[in-house]
Amino acid sequence: GEDVEQSLFLSVREGDSSVINCTYTDSSSTYLYWYKQEPGAGLQLLTYIFSNMDMKQDQRLTVLLNKKDKHLSLRIADTQTGDSAIYFCAESRSGGYNKLIFGAGTRLAVHP
Amino acid sequence: DTGVSQDPRHKITKRGQNVTFRCDPISEHNRLYWYRQTLGQGPEFLTYFQNEAQLEKSRLLSDRFSAERPKGSFSTLEIQRTEQGDSAMYLCASSPPRGDGSTEAFFGQGTRLTVV
Repeated sequence: GEDVEQSLFLSVREGDSSVINCTYTDSSSTYLYWYKQEPGAGLQLLTYIFSNMDMKQDQRLTVLLNKKDKHLSLRIADTQTGDSAIYFCAESRSGGYNKLIFGAGTRLAVHP
Repeated sequence: DTGVSQDPRHKITKRGQNVTFRCDPISEHNRLYWYRQTLGQGPEFLTYFQNEAQLEKSRLLSDRFSAERPKGSFSTLEIQRTEQGDSAMYLCASSPPRGDGSTEAFFGQGTRLTVV
C-alpha cells in the first residue's frame, strides 16, 4: 500500500521538545522527508533522511528512522511559537520518479 | 524572487466550466510535479514532468484533467467540465536533478480552486 500515517495534533509548551511521529508501509521507500506548512504559505522542506541512515541532526531538528518498524520521527528542540504549523511526513521510492507520498499532516500548536 | 510561482492564487468557477492553472518552476529545475491538497489532507500526487516529457500520471487524474509542459519550462494544468469535487488547492513543485536520488522539491503557494 501507499499509506503514510501521522497523528493529527500535538500541543506543546514553548521551550519544550516536540516529537512528531510518522509510520509508512512500503519497504521500498528510499528517502523520507519532513515538510512544514504555515497558513497561506507553500510547503517548506525542513529535512530528509536516506533510508539507510537511522539519525540525522540539523540544528534544532533531529530525525530518527527505524527502518525495521517503518517509523520516522521529527524532534524539534526548544519549540517556539513560530514552530506552530502543520508538519507533513513524506516518502519517495526508487523507480517512482521520486514523487512524494505524503501523510495527512500533524498540526503542532505551541502555547506559552 | 526565484521560487516556484503559480497563477492564479484563487479561482472561483461555476460547475461545468473549464479552468487552467499555470506554474513557473525554478529555472534550473528539470523536474516538475503537480499535487492536489484538500482540507485536512496531505498533498496527493497528480502528475510528473521531466523536462517536457510527462512521465507519470496518477489515476486521480481523470480524463477531464490535462497537463502540459511545453519546452520544459512552465507548465499548465487544465480541468475541463469542472465538478464540485474538484475544489481543492492545486500545488506545483519543482526539483533539480539529484545524483543521490533524493527529491528536494520546492513548492509554490498553490492555486485554490472553488467550484460552485
